Amino acid sequence: GAVVSQHPSWVICKSGTSVKIECRSLDFQATTMFWYRQFPKQSLMLMATSNEGSKATYEQGVEKDKFLINHASLTLSTLTVTSAHPEDSSFYICSARDMGGAYEQYFGPGTRLTVT
Amino acid sequence: AQSVSQHNHHVILSEAASLELGCNYSYGGTVNLFWYVQYPGQHLQLLLKYFSGDPLVKGIKGFEAEFIKSKFSFNLRKPSVQWSDTAEYFCAVRDSSYKLIFGSGTRLLVRP
Repeated sequence: GAVVSQHPSWVICKSGTSVKIECRSLDFQATTMFWYRQFPKQSLMLMATSNEGSKATYEQGVEKDKFLINHASLTLSTLTVTSAHPEDSSFYICSARDMGGAYEQYFGPGTRLTVT
Repeated sequence: AQSVSQHNHHVILSEAASLELGCNYSYGGTVNLFWYVQYPGQHLQLLLKYFSGDPLVKGIKGFEAEFIKSKFSFNLRKPSVQWSDTAEYFCAVRDSSYKLIFGSGTRLLVRP
């Protein structure tokens, strides 16, 4: 089946630094990837839609300058949390939409970010 | 804006009990409906999906869901749960822009 990986799986950083999270579709091409945020014991909240070769589309209330998204190839999207603060600590999950088939979304395992 | 409601936040069952998790959505157009499961420490996995056709959808691991258009519902069912079904279950709706909107999730604990 389709596999999506994320790297790193867990990262701890100091307040004020930037962190980059990678999302890769391993065995399929994805023109569209999605980034979600999941707070403890809560649901997934869509942050942005990442389209290969174009600017990401951010959901209302999500700061585009804070959460930089780059989708440089059909298999890789990156999310950079800039000038991270403790309130950015969360679980970040990406999904990739398979160009073939029924455009299903496949989810990555998530990245836990802790900002100290 | 479209939304998804899951009425049960926590459900506790004994093994072999029957399960039904409620899901209602608000979206007037054509929707695709999904149920995902997240086992402890694991990533989201697709349980089943409804695009069109037979409103009774069968998924993996003995789960099924019924789409009732008049009630805007897509409830998840399993006749007999197992301890290994302990997980969090998310209902989701996908609109014409292919965005997935998730419900708040239901934590299921199955006691052996």
